[in-house]
Amino acid sequence: EDQVTQSPEALRLQEGESSSLNCSYTVSGLRGLFWYRQDPGKGPEFLFTLYSAGEEKEKERLKATLTKKESFLHITAPKPEDSATYLCAAGFFGGFKTIFGAGTRLFVKA
Amino acid sequence: NAGVTQTPKFRVLKTGQSMTLLCAQDMNHEYMYWYRQDPGMGLRLIHYSVGEGTTAKGEVPDGYNVSRLKKQNFLLGLESAAPSQTSVYFCASTGHGDSLYNEQFFGPGTRLTVL
Repeated sequence: EDQVTQSPEALRLQEGESSSLNCSYTVSGLRGLFWYRQDPGKGPEFLFTLYSAGEEKEKERLKATLTKKESFLHITAPKPEDSATYLCAAGFFGGFKTIFGAGTRLFVKA
Repeated sequence: NAGVTQTPKFRVLKTGQSMTLLCAQDMNHEYMYWYRQDPGMGLRLIHYSVGEGTTAKGEVPDGYNVSRLKKQNFLLGLESAAPSQTSVYFCASTGHGDSLYNEQFFGPGTRLTVL
């Protein structure tokens, strides 16, 4: 069964304390691995798409990486405004199915 | 550009009542989607549309119907609401061609409570 699992469920960091969020996937026919940010009461907002193992993408304090079994979202020197829920999702060849993980809630304290 | 908009933002229904959620996008996107988001679970696809006049079932379609009469609008209907349909509903859209595998643009969500 195709599955996307995110860990941890919640992560509390001090401002400036770098860490990583994990997204592990067991899917067949993966076309792309997506990362989204979701603020409370709002819809998800796109961050990155990764297409192949070894690929990396960066945006400000965020860097996403992809292996054959998992993806990491590295947060370097986070700030309170990075507090949000981060979602990863797997997209498939030949169809419109996208499987979302349950998300990691990140709290960054000043 | 307003992007993807949803109406209403909040709604409370009694069991058995019906309602329609409206999604509109101004990006000329071909593909539109309806998801529901429940605590501790990922977004789950209810129905989707690959173009005006077309709709298809997603992962959790039971109890919902959809229509795409105009390219910019995608309607989600609940004919007889049940407490299990209490959720936050998100509409999303993507462009066409290979952008299927690119970002989805999401609306702000509709929080529905069924009593």
